[in-house]
Amino acid sequence: SQELEQSPQSLIVQEGKNLTINCTSSKTLYGLYWYKQKYGEGLIFLMMLQKGGEEKSHEKITAKLDEKKQQSSLHITASQPSHAGIYLCGADITSYSGAGSYQLTFGKGTKLSVIP
Amino acid sequence: DSGVTQTPKHLITATGQRVTLRCSPRSGDLSVYWYQQSLDQGLQFLIHYYNGEERAKGNILERFSAQQFPDLHSELNLSSLELGDSALYFCASSPWTGSPFSAYSSTDTQYFGPGTRLTVL
Repeated sequence: SQELEQSPQSLIVQEGKNLTINCTSSKTLYGLYWYKQKYGEGLIFLMMLQKGGEEKSHEKITAKLDEKKQQSSLHITASQPSHAGIYLCGADITSYSGAGSYQLTFGKGTKLSVIP
Repeated sequence: DSGVTQTPKHLITATGQRVTLRCSPRSGDLSVYWYQQSLDQGLQFLIHYYNGEERAKGNILERFSAQQFPDLHSELNLSSLELGDSALYFCASSPWTGSPFSAYSSTDTQYFGPGTRLTVL
């Protein structure tokens, strides 16, 4: 089963509307990352959340981390066509074995379309 | 422009062959990460190098290897290629100097290259 589940898989919103994308982990989170990818293009790192309750913003995009629920939500306020793309969450789900390494996993992405 | 360069942009090769993908990080960034993105598997973390040393390994196949050179550029070598290796390969760099148990420090931003699209026929 998928370690990181994103919902919804796709989203179509009218320009100006708010929207939320969720990312839920089946394992303990030690760091949660959000990325954006324009269709057929490279990845853009948006932000990283590490502590429970942490909230960060990047322009009109805000992300929160709920450590207890092992979940993060990405909220876009007053969406614009420039927000369209695929939003990916990634997580550090390392079980600390003392090996000094970590394990990164990613969700399947949420495809966002913004209609002018 | 992220400041991270990857070459080549596109690569078409045959099964069984070997290829090398190259990544030059942003000036001053000591960490280089490699990722594979395919329709089947989505985005997968392959490997992370920090200042020439392997820092963490993800879902990297034994047929794949990587290294980071003294000038900090990195190469990803893919050998005995299979059809399923067709994918976009991204590298990213960051100034990462964080905890040994974390991919990124809380103040880091990762900068991604434009990717190399590998097609195995």
